[in-house]
Amino acid sequence: DAGVTQSPTHLIKTRGQHVTLRCSPISGHKSVSWYQQVLGQGPQFIFQYYEKEERGRGNFPDRFSARQFPNYSSELNVNALLLGDSALYLCASRLQGFSGANVLTFGAGSRLTVL
Amino acid sequence: AQTVTQSQPEMSVQEAETVTLSCTYDTSESDYYLFWYKQPPSRQMILVIRQEAYKQQNATENRFSVNFQKAAKSFSLKISDSQLGDAAMYFCAYRSRQTSYDKVIFGPGTSLSVIP
Repeated sequence: DAGVTQSPTHLIKTRGQHVTLRCSPISGHKSVSWYQQVLGQGPQFIFQYYEKEERGRGNFPDRFSARQFPNYSSELNVNALLLGDSALYLCASRLQGFSGANVLTFGAGSRLTVL
Repeated sequence: AQTVTQSQPEMSVQEAETVTLSCTYDTSESDYYLFWYKQPPSRQMILVIRQEAYKQQNATENRFSVNFQKAAKSFSLKISDSQLGDAAMYFCAYRSRQTSYDKVIFGPGTSLSVIP
């Protein structure tokens, strides 16, 4: 079985541009979460989507948005990019939305560089 | 708000030896999960071990074990018989069981080097 897949793996943007990152969860997983990992720090929670609805949001500005599609894949969008948005963006999936002991499975991330 | 602290930015261990990574956390909740994740240079975060706060018994997974001290809010990871493949960033993480969504709070990480 394929794990969590993310695309693109690397990308470079300039300030003010927009970026879309994509994530395909493990087959059968209905929950997708997004994390931002700035270099040298631990990941920070951005969003969780479950059954195509936003279930939780971290402390990120409205420039960050996401959605989940009927096949449970997800997109993370960031508008008006700032230098500080440079980071590794991690996607994670889990079978259920919250309950249960199952854990997150992470993808390898999308490395975004903003110049 | 919950926080996770890892006071050792870098650690090193000789191959086949034992190393302990420290983690403390702050929470007012009584029911939660604690995790150790490993992030090798490939960037993919891999779950090493999980502890449920209501379980007093320390979790173990092969060469990995934890020392969970709930009152002290301490959650250290012991790696026995260290192998070269254990070299990675290790993140301690917390997840509440009292929120309605799946938010994991990570510490800043400890970079572990394994010396041959």
